[in-house]
Amino acid sequence: DVKVTQSSRYLVKRTGEKVFLECVQDMDHENMFWYRQDPGLGLRLIYFSYDVKMKEKGDIPEGYSVSREKKERFSLILESASTNQTSMYLCASRLALGSGTGELFFGEGSRLTVL
Amino acid sequence: AQTVTQSQPEMSVQEAETVTLSCTYDTSESNYYLFWYKQPPSRQMILVIRQEAYKQQNATENRFSVNFQKAAKSFSLKISDSQLGDTAMYFCAFEDNDMRFGAGTRLTVKP
Repeated sequence: DVKVTQSSRYLVKRTGEKVFLECVQDMDHENMFWYRQDPGLGLRLIYFSYDVKMKEKGDIPEGYSVSREKKERFSLILESASTNQTSMYLCASRLALGSGTGELFFGEGSRLTVL
Repeated sequence: AQTVTQSQPEMSVQEAETVTLSCTYDTSESNYYLFWYKQPPSRQMILVIRQEAYKQQNATENRFSVNFQKAAKSFSLKISDSQLGDTAMYFCAFEDNDMRFGAGTRLTVKP
């Protein structure tokens, strides 16, 4: 079975802390995504990566950065966490655009609370 | 950027009945892909059904089917013979270079 693994299901952090959310996929997918999910707003794209060391901003990149040093791993970084970043974060991956079905495979999500 | 609109925040249906979830989108592209994803209470998002814009035939997967109206930019999901396990959040999604999602519809199937 394909698998996308997010390192932490639940995190509680303090305002101003640096936060790392890790995502690993075992499917050799080129594309990886980070979304945040909030009630009534659905999934909003933070960043995505076409391939190793490549990244593109999504709709809400402010306050976030990403790192993709290896194909299987895509990290989301909150440089200085704020309370408005309390949310559910979802990582996803897929084959390169134009390959396969375009289906995204999701991790289980990371629920972040910033106090 | 493309936008995806789901105008029904919540819906409910009786077990064994049929329900239709609505989705509209906005794009200037002519070739693209549309998806419906399901997120059960356990939170793992999974693909329900996929539609390629250049195909006129509506996609079907067992009890799930779509009504794709390209000119109207409408992509609704029909669930037939609803089951308790269909209770979930349903998200409509549009694929161009990336993947954009609607706000979701919370569907409850009642026994």
